[in-house]
Amino acid sequence: DIQMTQSPSSLSASVGDRVTITCRASQSVYSYLNWYQQKPGKVPKLLMFGASSLQKGVPSRFSGSGSGTDFTLTIISLQPEDFATYFCQQSYSTPYTFGPGTKVDVK
Amino acid sequence: EMQLVQSGAEVKKPGESLKISCKASGYKFTGDWVGWVRQMPGKGLEWMGIIFPADSDTRYSPSFQGQVTISADKSISTAYLQWSSLKASDTAIYYCARQSGGSPRGDGMDVWGQGTTVTVSS
Repeated sequence: DIQMTQSPSSLSASVGDRVTITCRASQSVYSYLNWYQQKPGKVPKLLMFGASSLQKGVPSRFSGSGSGTDFTLTIISLQPEDFATYFCQQSYSTPYTFGPGTKVDVK
Repeated sequence: EMQLVQSGAEVKKPGESLKISCKASGYKFTGDWVGWVRQMPGKGLEWMGIIFPADSDTRYSPSFQGQVTISADKSISTAYLQWSSLKASDTAIYYCARQSGGSPRGDGMDVWGQGTTVTVSS
C-alpha cells in the first residue's frame, strides 16, 4: 500500500492568514492526488483533484501543487468557513489511501 | 442534481449480518465507479474499496478484503456494502462516494452520500 503522511497534523490560524498543508506519498503517485475538506459532523467535500485542479464550485483561494511524492494545499486567505480538517488521498494505486488529516482551527 | 442517498442508521449485535445501501440519482450510474469509505469515531477516512456498477468490477483494500462485500445492482442504481458477521470494531460511519471521471483513478470522489452510522454493540 502507498502510505500518505500530512504535516502538520494540526495548525492554528487567523482569518486572512495564508495556510499551507503538506502531503507526502511513500512512492510516486504522479499527479493522482486529491484533497478533501471535512467539517465536524459533515460529509467530506472534494476540493482539488489531479493535484492542482480545482473542483467546480470551490473558491479560488484554494490551490494545490506538486507531483510525484510531495504535494501542497494552500489557502491564500483563510476564511471563517475554512476551519476544518483537510485530507489528502492518492488515487494512483489501490487501495486509494488517505492521509491522516490536518486540522485547521482558530488561533 | 447528482445525489447518493444512503440507508439509515443501524444498531446491531456482534455476529449479526448487515447490508447498507447507496442509491444514485442525477447521473449515469453505470458510467462511474462508486467507492466506500469508513470513518471510525473521531478518526480519519479509510478507503475500503470501489465498484464499477456496469460490470461489478470490484477492487478492495487489503484491510477490508474478506471482511466486507461490495456489490451493485445497476437496474436500480444502487451500491451496497455488507457484512456477514459484524464486530464491535465495525462501529463507524460509512460513506459511499462517486469516483468521478469514469476510470478507477478518476478525478476524486466528488459526490458523497450522507453517511450511514453503524453501531455494533452487545
